[in-house]
Amino acid sequence: ETGVTQTPRHLVMGMTNKKSLKCEQHLGHNAMYWYKQSAKKPLELMFVYSLEERVENNSVPSRFSPECPNSSHLFLHLHTLQPEDSALYLCASSHRLTGMASPLHFGNGTRLTVT
Amino acid sequence: TQLLEQSPQFLSIQEGENLTVYCNSSSVFSSLQWYRQEPGEGPVLLVTVVTGGEVKKLKRLTFQFGDARKDSSLHITAAQPGDTGLYLCAGAKGGKLIFGQGTELSVKP
Repeated sequence: ETGVTQTPRHLVMGMTNKKSLKCEQHLGHNAMYWYKQSAKKPLELMFVYSLEERVENNSVPSRFSPECPNSSHLFLHLHTLQPEDSALYLCASSHRLTGMASPLHFGNGTRLTVT
Repeated sequence: TQLLEQSPQFLSIQEGENLTVYCNSSSVFSSLQWYRQEPGEGPVLLVTVVTGGEVKKLKRLTFQFGDARKDSSLHITAAQPGDTGLYLCAGAKGGKLIFGQGTELSVKP
């Protein structure tokens, strides 16, 4: 039980599809994050939400669209993706923003394959 | 430019051996965290070090934060197959958490 639940665990989609990744945290945290994890590369921060307000968008292409309807839920909407977008997408939450040395609690990720 | 360099990137050892993983940077961090990620799962926090020179122990794992808060090491004594996984260091700087590329550890029985 990680406290952070991601669905689906695996997703295969074509380049013209539209899909959404879902993340839910049961820890009462105030900050939520989307990370992209590719082989042999550091975790890439994509989006940060604090108290449901987006506080960071690290030059992510517009084909990725986040949504945070409340402090417990986070979505990543996907459309017209490219094969190089294939990766493990991790959701995380923390009590406060990470600049305060607040540890991250990660979900188990969605393994995305774009064909 | 890689802000946090981890070495080695891959390590395959036999059960019972000792090992050390390094996390180096030219930047100063306010704190540094170590995570372990097992296959099919997300990273899980092992420890946070905050003070320069700090040493923390977690059973067979010993974590050290450099005096200048620019580097850190993780030493595992008598490694077990259950230690297998991806070890990630992450430094807190300027309100952000910056990750290294990870060290893939395989401990064979």
